Amino acid sequence: DIVMTQSPTSMSISVGDRVTMNCKASQNVGSNVDWYQQKTGQSPKLLIYKASNRFTGVPDRFTGSRSGTDFTFTITNMQAEDLAGYYCMQSNSYPFTFGSGTKLEIK
Amino acid sequence: EVQLVESGGGLVQPGSSLKLSCVASGFTFTNYHMHWIRQAPKKGLEWIGMIYYDGGHTYYTDSVKGRFTISRDNSKNILYLEMNSLRSDDTAMYYCARWASVMDVWGQGTSVTVSS
Repeated sequence: DIVMTQSPTSMSISVGDRVTMNCKASQNVGSNVDWYQQKTGQSPKLLIYKASNRFTGVPDRFTGSRSGTDFTFTITNMQAEDLAGYYCMQSNSYPFTFGSGTKLEIK
Repeated sequence: EVQLVESGGGLVQPGSSLKLSCVASGFTFTNYHMHWIRQAPKKGLEWIGMIYYDGGHTYYTDSVKGRFTISRDNSKNILYLEMNSLRSDDTAMYYCARWASVMDVWGQGTSVTVSS
C-alpha cells in the first residue's frame, strides 16, 4: 500500500499567517493527490484536486503543488474560518490512502 | 440539491453485524463510483473501499477485507456497507462519498460504536 506521510501533525497559527503542510508519497502517485479540509463536527470537503487544482468555489488563498512524490498545501493569509484539519489523499492506486492529517490551531 | 445521507449506525456488540445505507439524491447515481470512508474518534480519515458505478467491481482496504461488503441498489439510489465480525477498532464515523475523479460530495456520516 502507498503510505502518505503528512507533516506536521499540528500547527499553532495566527490569522494572516502563511501556512504550509506537506505529504510525501512512499512511491510514485503521479499528480493523483487531493487535499481535504475537515472542520470540527463536519464531513470533509475537497479543496485541491490532482495536486494543484482548486475545486469549485475554493478561495485562491488555498494552493497545492507537487515535486516528484512530495506534495505541498499552502494557505496564504490564514483566516479564522480556515481553522480545521487538513488531509491529503492519494487516488493513484487502490487502496486509496490518506495522510494522517494536520490540525491547525490558533496560537 | 446533490446530497448523500447515511444511516444505520448505532451501538453494537463485538462480533455482531451491521448494515449502513447511503441514500443519494440530486444526481444520476448510476453515473458514479462510490466510496466509504471512516474516522475513528479523534483520529484521521481511513478509506474503507469503493464500488464501481454498475456494481461490477469493488475494492477494499486490507483491514476490512472479508468482513465488510460494499454493494449498491441503482434502482433505489442506495449505497450499502455491510459489516460483519465487528471489532472495537471499527468504532468510527462512517462517511459515503461520490467519486467524480475526486470525492466531491460527502454525506454527513453515521456513527458506529462497537462495545460490550
